[in-house]
Amino acid sequence: GAGVSQSPSNKVTEKGKDVELRCDPISGHTALYWYRQRLGQGLEFLIYFQGNSAPDKSGLPSDRFSAERTGESVSTLTIQRTQQEDSAVYLCASSLASGATYEQYFGPGTRLTVT
Amino acid sequence: KQEVTQIPAALSVPEGENLVLNCSFTDSAIYNLQWFRQDPGKGLTSLLLIQSSQREQTSGRLNASLDKSSGRSTLYIAASQPGDSATYLCAVMTDKLIFGTGTRLQVFP
Repeated sequence: GAGVSQSPSNKVTEKGKDVELRCDPISGHTALYWYRQRLGQGLEFLIYFQGNSAPDKSGLPSDRFSAERTGESVSTLTIQRTQQEDSAVYLCASSLASGATYEQYFGPGTRLTVT
Repeated sequence: KQEVTQIPAALSVPEGENLVLNCSFTDSAIYNLQWFRQDPGKGLTSLLLIQSSQREQTSGRLNASLDKSSGRSTLYIAASQPGDSATYLCAVMTDKLIFGTGTRLQVFP
């Protein structure tokens, strides 16, 4: 299929370890978004990339969180020194471009559990 | 700060009922509003998108309305089926998508 894919689907890690989550957007989509969904809560925006522009990092909750994207391809979200409150489903979405008129297509998410 | 609220948080109904899910938002300065469906392990699926200038959108058994001035949207599901069981999320687009916490729907045979 040509949808957004994410890996791994599930990740269990020990508190204090670093984790990397991967997102493969739909080919040709220049905008890529990361969201976090904690249990029983809505999706929280984390960061988005639009082409080669500087990313909007305004949603990152702490400096332990960072994300990279090379060109218009794969993105990785890295969480350093994980804490139990980082446990959540991390969702990635892509769209043709950023902005209100472009629909975002979501991946299946990565469920992160920090023990 | 934009806040999005969904009521009820959970709903369990027998098959065949017509349903109304509610979404409210605090700031009417939005570009559009979307309703999504979330199935476990499958991410989000967009159901309906209503532009700020529109009042409603329809797709099959789904109808979504938008009253921007009062900060409200409703998702109407006609003749519910067990396959409609999922979590339904609404989200408003400002410079970002801001999501509500969802309504968990269970439709039993």
